[in-house]
Amino acid sequence: AQSVTQLGSHVSVSEGALVLLRCNYSSSVPPYLFWYVQYPNQGLQLLLKYTSAATLVKGINGFEAEFKKSETSFHLTKPSAHMSDAAEYFCAVSGNFGNEKLTFGTGTRLTIIP
Amino acid sequence: NAGVMQNPRHLVRRRGQEARLRCSPMKGHSHVYWYRQLPEEGLKFMVYLQKENIIDESGMPKERFSAEFPKEGPSILRIQQVVRGDSAAYFCASSRGQILPEAFFGQGTRLTVV
Repeated sequence: AQSVTQLGSHVSVSEGALVLLRCNYSSSVPPYLFWYVQYPNQGLQLLLKYTSAATLVKGINGFEAEFKKSETSFHLTKPSAHMSDAAEYFCAVSGNFGNEKLTFGTGTRLTIIP
Repeated sequence: NAGVMQNPRHLVRRRGQEARLRCSPMKGHSHVYWYRQLPEEGLKFMVYLQKENIIDESGMPKERFSAEFPKEGPSILRIQQVVRGDSAAYFCASSRGQILPEAFFGQGTRLTVV
């Protein structure tokens, strides 16, 4: 069984400040981990994914995430927030056998303060 | 290469009617996943299909819901005798089905039951 916990359903940061969105996972098998972004009334767009290669994963729009097995975490960061980053962010986990369904967290709504 | 296409984008049904949601996967993708997003919640897996086969329907409600992915044509998620609780955004994702899948999401169908 797999699960994802996203701490903080709402996060607000000032423009230019560090963005940190937290994700902890539980998995009985080595996981694949994903971060998706959802803009209002849109589908999900993949930001980045961890598939057991490098533990520090770089994604689009300046985001990155670090896989820490000892902490079962996969937190998403961005050094400097931009107004366009305001959106809902979802962390997801799947098994590593391929074609596995994604199990999503409940999401974190990121607000950027001008 | 067009992305995952879902239609309609918005669907309004009266209680007791049938809702039919369509999903055309990306070109070359033979795996389709359906997810449901209730208001203020993350996405929940419903069903995973390959062409003409249901692989995993562990997330499908036992009654009124069905899904298919025929040899020709889009995948269809069918909800019979809709109730207010079925109001949600329904997302389809598709992948090639390789060992390291990357699922691409459509923009969703927002179903409102009145």
